[in-house]
Amino acid sequence: DSGVTQTPKHLITATGQRVTLRCSPRSGDLSVYWYQQSLDQGLQFLIQYYNGEERAKGNILERFSAQQFPDLHSELNLSSLELGDSALYFCASSVGGDRVNTEAFFGQGTRLTVV
Amino acid sequence: GQQVMQIPQYQHVQEGEDFTTYCNSSTTLSNIQWYKQRPGGHPVFLIQLVKSGEVKKQKRLTFQFGEAKKNSSLHITATQTTDVGTYFCAGLLSNTGKLIFGQGTTLQVKP
Repeated sequence: DSGVTQTPKHLITATGQRVTLRCSPRSGDLSVYWYQQSLDQGLQFLIQYYNGEERAKGNILERFSAQQFPDLHSELNLSSLELGDSALYFCASSVGGDRVNTEAFFGQGTRLTVV
Repeated sequence: GQQVMQIPQYQHVQEGEDFTTYCNSSTTLSNIQWYKQRPGGHPVFLIQLVKSGEVKKQKRLTFQFGEAKKNSSLHITATQTTDVGTYFCAGLLSNTGKLIFGQGTTLQVKP
């Protein structure tokens, strides 16, 4: 158990809908990363938050947004869903945000299926 | 854009053979990390290399970080069936906070 909790584990929704994925980082971790993993694909970096503020942005679509709350949990919002958004979405957390203590601990992932 | 390339994408070996995966970044990295993802699982942190030319060992696994801090390798000696999975390198891009993963190398080990 990595200590990172993601909910829900599975999500099935229709095209055009909006969903929210939730992540609780390990106790004491200030950084939260979001990644998308499609079938047979690597881990695509979406976005990183550090202590409530956006730290780095990757290939995140405009239809997607995220935030990190004062209690450090994070949410990833996916809207106007398309079939191609079906993927495994991972959240990871680390103690630090730059250079040190950056090893990431991953949650179990949320498997999103858009039908 | 900033990329971390990893080769090969797949590797099938006979149990007992060695295995190596290579990682190359287009930009200098603050550090390089290695993760293992078992089928159906989530990536699990293995190790982090920070210094130029650094070499670290974990039992049968040897990790290297290049002198220019742009490339890295993971070598497994005498593979076992428990080594099966996808190995990812991840580079922390200097001054950006971005932890960029390579595409991964999926290792299959035949008993």
